[in-house]
Amino acid sequence: AQSVTQPDIHITVSEGASLELRCNYSYGATPYLFWYVQSPGQGLQLLLKYFSGDTLVQGIKGFEAEFKRSQSSFNLRKPSVHWSDAAEYFCAGPNSNSGYALNFGKGTSLLVTP
Amino acid sequence: EAQVTQNPRYLITVTGKKLTVTCSQNMNHEYMSWYRQDPGLGLRQIYYSMNVEVTDKGDVPEGYKVSRKEKRNFPLILESPSPNQTSLYFCASSLGVVNEQFFGPGTRLTVL
Repeated sequence: AQSVTQPDIHITVSEGASLELRCNYSYGATPYLFWYVQSPGQGLQLLLKYFSGDTLVQGIKGFEAEFKRSQSSFNLRKPSVHWSDAAEYFCAGPNSNSGYALNFGKGTSLLVTP
Repeated sequence: EAQVTQNPRYLITVTGKKLTVTCSQNMNHEYMSWYRQDPGLGLRQIYYSMNVEVTDKGDVPEGYKVSRKEKRNFPLILESPSPNQTSLYFCASSLGVVNEQFFGPGTRLTVL
């Protein structure tokens, strides 16, 4: 069952602008959540993860994400986007049928314009 | 170097011809997974394994088999491939399901 959803299929931002990619989850218990990035023709790389504790999580490449239980969200943010950030971004979390299976969102494709 | 390797990287085959895609990791990870990636559908988990001899179905297991006889290896078997299994396949491993997954380079499979 789809327990992680990414509402935006494509996002276009100007270089230097701020970025927010949305991720919503539906899971009864406190979930573990991840953001991965996939550059064209590449495998996936972990940006950050939330397991417990601080709800604002810092990741690599200047990304951060905030876990908001009240909104069932784990949105990814970056204050200033670089052209090299153009990629596909995936949110992931536990499958609602099994906490040991993983569910990835369908991805958000980020385009960065000059 | 810590890595997940997959072979082959590219494969074109015909309907019904059994094939195996190998996956191996050298990080002593307990958790391993297979995913398929299709345009517009993201990554969907096919099977996962929590340890040797422990495997379970993900979201799209139909038409696939796996085995985990050794900790490092997690082959994906297509007994009778069909065109709807044409996809990009990724193997991944991690210490556990809550840990960072390390992905292999991918296997692009075409079934004619």
